[in-house]
Amino acid sequence: DVKVTQSSRYLVKRTGEKVFLECVQDMDHENMFWYRQDPGLGLRLIYFSYDVKMKEKGDIPEGYSVSREKKERFSLILESASTNQTSMYLCASSLDRVRETQYFGPGTRLLVL
Amino acid sequence: KQEVTQIPAALSVPEGENLVLNCSFTDSAIYNLQWFRQDPGKGLTSLLLIQSSQREQTSGRLNASLDKSSGRSTLYIAASQPGDSATYLCAVRPGTGNQFYFGTGTSLTVIP
Repeated sequence: DVKVTQSSRYLVKRTGEKVFLECVQDMDHENMFWYRQDPGLGLRLIYFSYDVKMKEKGDIPEGYSVSREKKERFSLILESASTNQTSMYLCASSLDRVRETQYFGPGTRLLVL
Repeated sequence: KQEVTQIPAALSVPEGENLVLNCSFTDSAIYNLQWFRQDPGKGLTSLLLIQSSQREQTSGRLNASLDKSSGRSTLYIAASQPGDSATYLCAVRPGTGNQFYFGTGTSLTVIP
């Protein structure tokens, strides 16, 4: 079974703090994704990566950056957290560009005060 | 940009009923379409993935169909059970580009 884990289930941060969200998958998947999920807006893609050190912007990359130094780990960084980044953050992975079934982590609920 | 719509936003059915969830998308040039379920406060679980060349996929009591020309997919759930209560989302991968576009989901409640 594919397992995608996220470093925290709940986080509370202050405005202006730098925030790191970590995601790890254990099935040697090439593709990894970061989404945020907000009521009424659904899931929106922030960034994705199809290889180590490779990244592409999704629909809403502003205020975020990512890092993929190792294949199994994909980090989302909020450079200076703002209240409008309060959301549920979901990480996902898929095997490659042909076998695209996405496997999701449990999510991190972030509150920025 | 691909737009994905799921109607209704919420649905309540008695246990044992067969039901259909709908997903529509604006651009018929898709690569594949995926159905997920999400339990409250949790991540998403993949149910079925349909490639653009396929018309349907089946897994147990679930059957997903795809009609690209009309921009529609349906998820059929047979003999619904209370454990099927969850939010069901569809996601479309366009023919170009690498990302999926998600609908906002249908919240299903199966009443015992």
